[in-house]
Amino acid sequence: NAGVMQNPRHLVRRRGQEARLRCSPVKGHSHVYWYRQLPEEGLKFMVYLQKENIIDESGMPKERFSAEFPKEGPSILRIQQVVRGDSAAYFCASGGTVNTGELFFGEGSRLTVL
Amino acid sequence: AQTVTQSQPEMSVQEAETVTLSCTYDTSENNYYLFWYKQPPSRQMILVIRQEAYKQQNATENRFSVNFQKAAKSFSLKISDSQLGDTAMYFCAFMKHGGSQGNLIFGKGTKLSVKP
Repeated sequence: NAGVMQNPRHLVRRRGQEARLRCSPVKGHSHVYWYRQLPEEGLKFMVYLQKENIIDESGMPKERFSAEFPKEGPSILRIQQVVRGDSAAYFCASGGTVNTGELFFGEGSRLTVL
Repeated sequence: AQTVTQSQPEMSVQEAETVTLSCTYDTSENNYYLFWYKQPPSRQMILVIRQEAYKQQNATENRFSVNFQKAAKSFSLKISDSQLGDTAMYFCAFMKHGGSQGNLIFGKGTKLSVKP
């Protein structure tokens, strides 16, 4: 499967713990995007990364959230000191170097904070 | 700021019939992309169809077609010969051309049920 791979699919954390979500883009894609989907809502853009660079983090909460896309390995979305309101599905998408407007989405990671 | 509005939270259609999902958007941009994504129960977002704003011709992909009215800022999706596998959430999305690539603005979605 050469699509976007996200793991874990499901993650349960207690309040105050850390959550790490991983995303491997489509092979050959160097652009990664993270979105959050709250229940009964559409997806909301969080951050756009290229290898080793954050290009646009305008949708990312200023505190507790961080994202990286290292030279080697998957992109990581990290949420520190999780709260109940962080419970959501987090989707990763990837795109190529040419802006065709088309993104390829992973199946999402569902975070539940107890 | 751009906004995307889907005014139909839920719709249903009989198998083999045609259904139209509505989407309106607000933007001051002249060049942009519009999309319809499908999210089945598996939750993976699947691109259904894409329209570039500078193209007059409505996009078509097999049983899926759009009615793009740029002046009215309307972008409806028509599904012909509906199939049970079309049951899903459908999201309309907007992306500014030349802006931050991948910064899609999504509507809240329409839940479509295809009934046998």
